[in-house]
Amino acid sequence: AQSVAQPEDQVNVAEGNPLTVKCTYSVSGNPYLFWYVQYPNRGLQFLLKYITGDNLVKGSYGFEAEFNKSQTSFHLKKPSALVSDSALYFCAVSGDNTDKLIFGTGTRLQVFP
Amino acid sequence: GAVVSQHPSRVICKSGTSVKIECRSLDFQATTMFWYRQFPKQSLMLMATSNEGSKATYEQGVEKDKFLINHASLTLSTLTVTSAHPEDSSFYICSASGQGVSTDTQYFGPGTRLTVL
Repeated sequence: AQSVAQPEDQVNVAEGNPLTVKCTYSVSGNPYLFWYVQYPNRGLQFLLKYITGDNLVKGSYGFEAEFNKSQTSFHLKKPSALVSDSALYFCAVSGDNTDKLIFGTGTRLQVFP
Repeated sequence: GAVVSQHPSRVICKSGTSVKIECRSLDFQATTMFWYRQFPKQSLMLMATSNEGSKATYEQGVEKDKFLINHASLTLSTLTVTSAHPEDSSFYICSASGQGVSTDTQYFGPGTRLTVL
């Protein structure tokens, strides 16, 4: 069965500092990994994905994520956080034979000025 | 590109009435649409998957007679909550994937907040 874990409910970081939001996954076959961001009372916005190829994936708004097969992780990173990055971040996974997404529980990112 | 809209954004209804939520792909053809439900401070729960012109596939535990899904065209899917009750109050979000965008990526609508009194 597919699953996604986001071990941190909330991440706090000062503006200008690097940020990391953690995600680990479990899936049979090759994973398709995604990060989405949700602002209050809004739908999810696609940030980036890993399907195949280079383990370091660059996405929207300066975010990037690194696929680590041995650690089954796909952590989201940004070199310099902005206050406007404050939002709820979801990691999601699907497998080879399905287009269904399984979401993590979400991590609230709070960037302080 | 890859814009998905939902209407209405917010709806309040009385218990026992039915509510229809529309999900539209504005700039691509959505061969597959998904309906999710999100409870406060929780993750998204997939309710059903629909392919254009076919019956929806519901997830385990989701009542298909209560949550009617129609995907009649490549740009429109509707979710009708029939005989709504207060426990159906939630944030409903649709997503779409299809032709003209990355087929392996779901693009999400802005969501519909349903409140049943």
